[in-house]
Amino acid sequence: GQQLNQSPQSMFIQEGEDVSMNCTSSSIFNTWLWYKQEPGEGPVLLIALYKAGELTSNGRLTAQFGITRKDSFLNISASIPSDVGIYFCAGLVNAGGTSYGKLTFGQGTILTVHP
Amino acid sequence: DSGVTQTPKHLITATGQRVTLRCSPRSGDLSVYWYQQSLDQGLQFLIQYYNGEERAKGNILERFSAQQFPDLHSELNLSSLELGDSALYFCASSPTSRANYNEQFFGPGTRLTVL
Repeated sequence: GQQLNQSPQSMFIQEGEDVSMNCTSSSIFNTWLWYKQEPGEGPVLLIALYKAGELTSNGRLTAQFGITRKDSFLNISASIPSDVGIYFCAGLVNAGGTSYGKLTFGQGTILTVHP
Repeated sequence: DSGVTQTPKHLITATGQRVTLRCSPRSGDLSVYWYQQSLDQGLQFLIQYYNGEERAKGNILERFSAQQFPDLHSELNLSSLELGDSALYFCASSPTSRANYNEQFFGPGTRLTVL
């Protein structure tokens, strides 16, 4: 089945530093999504990517849909303490022009930001 | 707040019992998805419903079942519970617009503990 390898597993950074994380897959995806999850809460959608090569920003976050359709990257610039959490990539394959819902998630990147 | 609601927030029960988790999607969303999150398996897709009909199935156990009602709320039924079923269960919903129907918005989750 489809598997997503997300790296790094964890990051410990100083406030103000930039962060990069990525996901790679053995299969092609039509859509890449990036989520953030905080303790005791559900994942919150940060960015959605629909086209190979697409680069999309949401504030200090920038994500890219890899050209091969098998990878995606998330960058966070000028990190702040509230960026702490677990970041997940997720890929989805459409069938017949509709969403068949099966998001495949990476293992997550645990981000810790030291003030 | 994603607009997706789930009840209960916490559930503690014993092995062999049966429980029902409830989810109300965002207003206007027709698709509902269920996911299980555990430490060893991560976030795993269970099942999707679209406007009352089952649309996609993931690694859902035969002891688990779900349905979506005419008012679009969904219930996930877990029976003959085992210790290993202890996990966070999330519901998500997605818009019907083709522009963003792959974007899944997650509820706050139900934490199930089986003793």
